[in-house]
Amino acid sequence: ETGVTQTPRHLVMGMTNKKSLKCEQHLGHNAMYWYKQSAKKPLELMFVYSLEERVENNSVPSRFSPECPNSSHLFLHLHTLQPEDSALYLCASSQERITKAKNIQYFGAGTRLSVL
Amino acid sequence: SQQGEEDPQALSIQEGENATMNCSYKTSINNLQWYRQNSGRGLVHLILIRSNEREKHSGRLRVTLDTSKKSSSLLITASRAADTASYFCATANFGNEKLTFGTGTRLTIIP
Repeated sequence: ETGVTQTPRHLVMGMTNKKSLKCEQHLGHNAMYWYKQSAKKPLELMFVYSLEERVENNSVPSRFSPECPNSSHLFLHLHTLQPEDSALYLCASSQERITKAKNIQYFGAGTRLSVL
Repeated sequence: SQQGEEDPQALSIQEGENATMNCSYKTSINNLQWYRQNSGRGLVHLILIRSNEREKHSGRLRVTLDTSKKSSSLLITASRAADTASYFCATANFGNEKLTFGTGTRLTIIP
């Protein structure tokens, strides 16, 4: 148990559906991240929230919409996805900014998303 | 190639042997970290080595860092079946929360 919980663990959705992924961290961290992990590709950073403010958006298509209502919760809202969006979506959190060299990230178990 | 690129992509060894994985990167870093991922799970932090360190140990893990060659290695000694997993290096740049991950090394320990 890493202190980062993701739900659901598995999700199958059609291209016209709207769904949301949820992440919750119980570690008191102030930064949260969404990653996409596809087979044989490096982990892709999608979004970074620091102190509930989005500080990074790596050219992610608008069909992915993040939301960070507070420092403990992070959502990824999904709509009109494509089959190539099928992947493992990982949430992570960390304690401090890199300048304090405390940027060890703690990951959830991920949501395995299949888009039909 | 990617920042934080692991080599080899896959490695199979007998239980009890040592496993060595390498990571190369391109830009200056603040620190380099190694993570482990069991199949279908999230990544778990193993060890962090700062840019001014050359070697670090944690249990059966030994990490080296050569900033002149922009490379790092992870050595797992006396491997166990439970060490079967994918191992990723991640680099952290100055002034940034981001970690940049590689594609990982898939390690299989044969009992």
